[in-house]
Amino acid sequence: QSALTQPASVSGSPGQSITISCTGTSSDVGSYNLVSWYQQHPGKAPKLMIYEVSKRPSGVSNRFSGSKSGNTASLTISGLQAEDEADYYCCSYAGSSSVVFGGGTKLTVL
Amino acid sequence: EVQLVESGGVVVQPGGSLRLSCAASGFTFDDYTMHWVRQAPGKGLEWVSLISWDGGSTYYADSVKGRFTISRDNSKNSLYLQMNSLRTEDTALYYCAKDGLTTLDYWGQGTLVTVSS
Repeated sequence: QSALTQPASVSGSPGQSITISCTGTSSDVGSYNLVSWYQQHPGKAPKLMIYEVSKRPSGVSNRFSGSKSGNTASLTISGLQAEDEADYYCCSYAGSSSVVFGGGTKLTVL
Repeated sequence: EVQLVESGGVVVQPGGSLRLSCAASGFTFDDYTMHWVRQAPGKGLEWVSLISWDGGSTYYADSVKGRFTISRDNSKNSLYLQMNSLRTEDTALYYCAKDGLTTLDYWGQGTLVTVSS
């Protein structure tokens, strides 16, 4: 049950696009199309942004997109806005009914 | 509207016990698996445990196995986490979360557990 690997921080200017990577193993990210992404603003609960690698829940902006290749999943935010500044966490099903999260990535909008 | 409201977080001494509760509303509680996830101060999210819709299956992270017990009362739309032999590293904000079949789709606001002497 080792945590998935995410960069500690990423940054971008308004209007730009950024991508956050999430690297796991063949036992979690690589084996299941069950990767989710959560956004967390300070003092708030996590909010689901992407599920099943690339699906968006109702109400989530289409500026958020997800993908996966091998053991690495990615979250891309296009047209960066000030309100996107937050922590982002990836999450994967890891077999045997367990779940594993990434360490989190702090997104700074310059 | 789905609502999850956690309670029971307090300051407790190392070695002590505590039971957290999560009151659910806005969905058919006994149709869904439920989870507990925690977040230590300034740290990332850590999955703790899950329980199947009927309580028949439970799973735990290695870090809490043998010390924590997850349970539910579907007649009260409530989820619980019994925490025993608490350690300082269990200090965290504890969230309950609804399982949306392929993801954790709704989360509560969390309840803070502090383990300190």
